[in-house]
Amino acid sequence: AQSVTQLDSHVSVSEGTPVLLRCNYSSSYSPSLFWYVQHPNKGLQLLLKYTSAATLVKGINGFEAEFKKSETSFHLTKPSAHMSDAAEYFCVVSVGTYKYIFGTGTRLKVLA
Amino acid sequence: GAGVSQSPRYKVAKRGQDVALRCDPISGHVSLFWYQQALGQGPEFLTYFQNEAQLDKSGLPSDRFFAERPEGSVSTLKIQRTQQEDSAVYLCASSLENSAVTDTQYFGPGTRLTVL
Repeated sequence: AQSVTQLDSHVSVSEGTPVLLRCNYSSSYSPSLFWYVQHPNKGLQLLLKYTSAATLVKGINGFEAEFKKSETSFHLTKPSAHMSDAAEYFCVVSVGTYKYIFGTGTRLKVLA
Repeated sequence: GAGVSQSPRYKVAKRGQDVALRCDPISGHVSLFWYQQALGQGPEFLTYFQNEAQLDKSGLPSDRFFAERPEGSVSTLKIQRTQQEDSAVYLCASSLENSAVTDTQYFGPGTRLTVL
């Protein structure tokens, strides 16, 4: 069975400092992995996705994630946080052609 | 272009009432998905359509939940005899095609259902 674990429910960073949101996955097969962001009262927006090409994936708004098979991890990073990054972030694993399995989310708070 | 739209954005129902939630996917998208997001949780898969065919309804929590997509475009999620535990945000997503590699799903803003 596939699953995804987001290791932190809340993360607080100061504006201008690095962001690290952690995600571990469990999958019997080669997974596809995604990060989505959810701003209040807005739909989920895709940040980036990994589908067995390059292990370092670059996304929108300066975010990137690295697929590490040996650690079964897909952590999301950004070198410098901006106030507008404050939101809920979801790590998603998918095996096969369509079914997404979401983590429980990490709420990012950015302090001025 | 236009994204996925959902209506209504907010719905309040009395326990026992029936509700219908609408999803308009991105034009031309073959696949359509419904998810349920409880407060403080990640979305959970409910059902999946490829065109008008409902290929997977394994996530529907009970036989009170019913989804349809009769013409392969707009979809409706119906909940009969609503219960308080049905209170959640219902998300709709669509993707361009059902490919061998997982296709990106584009999400609507959701419908927040509150059952009193």
